[in-house]
Amino acid sequence: EDKVVQSPLSLVVHEGDTVTLNCSYEVTNFRSLLWYKQEKKAPTFLFMLTSSGIEKKSGRLSSILDKKELFSILNITATQTGDSAVYLCAVPISGNTPLVFGKGTRLSVIA
Amino acid sequence: DADVTQTPRNRITKTGKRIMLECSQTKGHDRMYWYRQDPGLGLQLIYYSFDVKDINKGEISDGYSVSRQAQAKFSLSLESAIPNQTALYFCATSISSATDTQYFGPGTRLTVL
Repeated sequence: EDKVVQSPLSLVVHEGDTVTLNCSYEVTNFRSLLWYKQEKKAPTFLFMLTSSGIEKKSGRLSSILDKKELFSILNITATQTGDSAVYLCAVPISGNTPLVFGKGTRLSVIA
Repeated sequence: DADVTQTPRNRITKTGKRIMLECSQTKGHDRMYWYRQDPGLGLQLIYYSFDVKDINKGEISDGYSVSRQAQAKFSLSLESAIPNQTALYFCATSISSATDTQYFGPGTRLTVL
């Protein structure tokens, strides 16, 4: 059973739209949740959310964490074609374990 | 120069061949990881190492082995490559348990015929 579930798996929007990507997780002893953006190469780090930092914002991108309901959302406002990418969510499942990644959401922004 | 480098960037090989993928980093991070990525499956952890003397299996370690030659180098080997090991392979690093943020290399695209 997947511990990190992202939805939707793919999404097509027009430039200027606002999108919301979802990530739900099952962990013991929550430590952090990370968002990455992957274009046609390596994933690049966007945000890390923790118990002491449940909201992050950078330009048109923002993310919040709901520790009670065990999910996070990534919002992108005024989307641009350069936002087209796969967005990955990752969580360390327990203890001192490495990150477990969701399958990602493929976002396509069309002009 | 890139902080995390991988060689080769592309490799085509035949079934049964031994292949080594190499990863080097100049970030000074203790922790290193190998992932594979298949279309629609996200990133799956193969092996990870928290320091030079530490090697741990990930969720899909069968058919792979690793060597941590130094703090800066972590190699992944396929002893006898098979076609279903065709994938994109990423190396990543992180500084310590103080943060979970991982930094990825550019990837190696491996094709096994």
